[in-house]
Amino acid sequence: QKEVEQDPGPLSVPEGAIVSLNCTYSNSAFQYFMWYRQYSRKGPELLMYTYSSGNKEDGRFTAQVDKSSKYISLFIRDSQPSDSATYLCAMGWGAQKLVFGQGTRLTINP
Amino acid sequence: DAGVTQSPTHLIKTRGQQVTLRCSPISGHKSVSWYQQVLGQGPQFIFQYYEKEERGRGNFPDRFSARQFPNYSSELNVNALLLGDSALYLCASSRGQGDYSPLHFGNGTRLTVT
Repeated sequence: QKEVEQDPGPLSVPEGAIVSLNCTYSNSAFQYFMWYRQYSRKGPELLMYTYSSGNKEDGRFTAQVDKSSKYISLFIRDSQPSDSATYLCAMGWGAQKLVFGQGTRLTINP
Repeated sequence: DAGVTQSPTHLIKTRGQQVTLRCSPISGHKSVSWYQQVLGQGPQFIFQYYEKEERGRGNFPDRFSARQFPNYSSELNVNALLLGDSALYLCASSRGQGDYSPLHFGNGTRLTVT
């Protein structure tokens, strides 16, 4: 069993839809949770960064962490074609040595 | 401000050869980490360096080594290349070693081993 499980997709939705991306994990020691966005032939770009459980909102993006269920989510509201990318969840007991999910490939169709 | 810069962007090597990848962190960042991303997978942690000292190492063989210089730039070396070493090698920097400092990635070096 992998430490972090992420559905690789691909996921395709129409423009304007709400997108839900999810990861589960097995290591209860994880305290830091991130979401990165990766465009083709680019490095991962930090989108959201949360510590422990709870919700965090930044514009159209909301990150949720449920440590009791070992489950994290990223919601994208009013999705745009420019949101088309691979989304990577990452987590660790520190913010430095991260364990990544496989990545979900998302396409937003105009 | 310039982001994390990596060189070269692409590299083709033959099995058994050695390769050196270079990374310059964001100005003011003192910690550098290296990750390997195989096609279709998420990045996997290789090394973390802070103030020129190794602060963490992932599950990679001794063929992989790294170092950090006084200006906080870093090099990743891979010896005796195998076909399986073909991947995108990502460098990330953060302000400090502290657990709260998130990583910011460069665009990587794509290594192909033939």
